[in-house]
Amino acid sequence: DTGVSQDPRHKITKRGQNVTFRCDPISEHNRLYWYRQTLGQGPEFLTYFQNEAQLEKSRLLSDRFSAERPKGSFSTLEIQRTEQGDSAMYLCASSSVTGGFGYTFGSGTRLTVV
Amino acid sequence: AQKVTQAQTEISVVEKEDVTLDCVYETRDTTYYLFWYKQPPSGELVFLIRRNSFDEQNEISGRYSWNFQKSTSSFNFTITASQVVDSAVYFCALSAPGANSKLTFGKGITLSVRP
Repeated sequence: DTGVSQDPRHKITKRGQNVTFRCDPISEHNRLYWYRQTLGQGPEFLTYFQNEAQLEKSRLLSDRFSAERPKGSFSTLEIQRTEQGDSAMYLCASSSVTGGFGYTFGSGTRLTVV
Repeated sequence: AQKVTQAQTEISVVEKEDVTLDCVYETRDTTYYLFWYKQPPSGELVFLIRRNSFDEQNEISGRYSWNFQKSTSSFNFTITASQVVDSAVYFCALSAPGANSKLTFGKGITLSVRP
């Protein structure tokens, strides 16, 4: 296993367009998290899945954001009608229930809204 | 509510100097976990250490050491004999136990090690 994969690495989009990011977690990890990191800040929690169930969403996750994890494997994060304030690094992480609290993060998707 | 404060924003040292990165946290939980992550320019967050709130023993791993003091709610990180490859942004994070284990991060400290 090569770790947590995120695709694409970079995305430039025009304001108002929809974008979708993908995260492939470590195969035996049943927990998957999305975080957002803006310039000069630490990552902020967005949402969390255990298997296919989305168990928590942050207030940061507005109605324009939706995340899915069909079949408890990969996850997608979609942003509709993007705004310039959505420009950030979107980080995915996975962990195992039985493995304690050791997160593995992906390299992130950097979104730029122009 | 949980909070992590990394008061230092940028630190610059010359190679081989020792450097300490400070982290102060706030939580109402009696059981919690503390973490340090390194973020090199490539962007990926690299896990360095996890510490349980019941374990106040200091830890040393090579040139890295961590000082956990519950009395002052601090979890400081020291790099001994710094190297250029240590240049990165370092984040301290806090997690409560439980199903979601979400992390609360500090704002990070940018460490520059000059040759």
